[in-house]
Amino acid sequence: DAGVTQSPTHLIKTRGQHVTLRCSPISGHKSVSWYQQVLGQGPQFIFQYYEKEERGRGNFPDRFSARQFPNYSSELNVNALLLGDSALYLCASSLGQQNTEAFFGQGTRLTVV
Amino acid sequence: QQQVKQSPQSLIVQKGGISIINCAYENTAFDYFPWYQQFPGKGPALLIAIRPDVSEKKEGRFTISFNKSAKQFSLHIMDSQPGDSATYFCAASSRGAQKLVFGQGTRLTINP
Repeated sequence: DAGVTQSPTHLIKTRGQHVTLRCSPISGHKSVSWYQQVLGQGPQFIFQYYEKEERGRGNFPDRFSARQFPNYSSELNVNALLLGDSALYLCASSLGQQNTEAFFGQGTRLTVV
Repeated sequence: QQQVKQSPQSLIVQKGGISIINCAYENTAFDYFPWYQQFPGKGPALLIAIRPDVSEKKEGRFTISFNKSAKQFSLHIMDSQPGDSATYFCAASSRGAQKLVFGQGTRLTINP
């Protein structure tokens, strides 16, 4: 069984650019969450999507947006990139919306220069 | 109140020893407490999780101990092996939310 897949694995962008990160959840999972992990810290919650609707949002600026598609895959978009956006972006999938086991992908390493 | 505090920041244990990592929380609405293992360049992998209706859960060499009154929980790794060397994160979430609140992480090194 395929786990959570994320693409690309690595990405280098310039300040001010836009980036789109992609995530495919485990088959049968309807919830996708996005996390940002800065080096040396624990992941920080950005968004949760369940059944294509935003169900939760963390303390991130409006430059961050996301969506979920009918096949439950998801995109995270970040506009006007800042150096501080450099991080590992993690996607987690889970069966349901609430309080269930979350399985993470390998992440996308974003470097903003 | 949303924080989960994890200690120690780093830990060195001899092969065959017991590794113990502790976490504390304030939010009494938290009712799901997973532990994740993360290797460099990889995403966190779910190790074991507990809900507050039990005080201990064991899976193989990994045990979670949970103290509801103290709002603390800990991960014990028995017979620690060099392959257990990784960063470990505790996390918590509350009923009605999928959002996980993570601790700061513990870098565990098992010396052969």
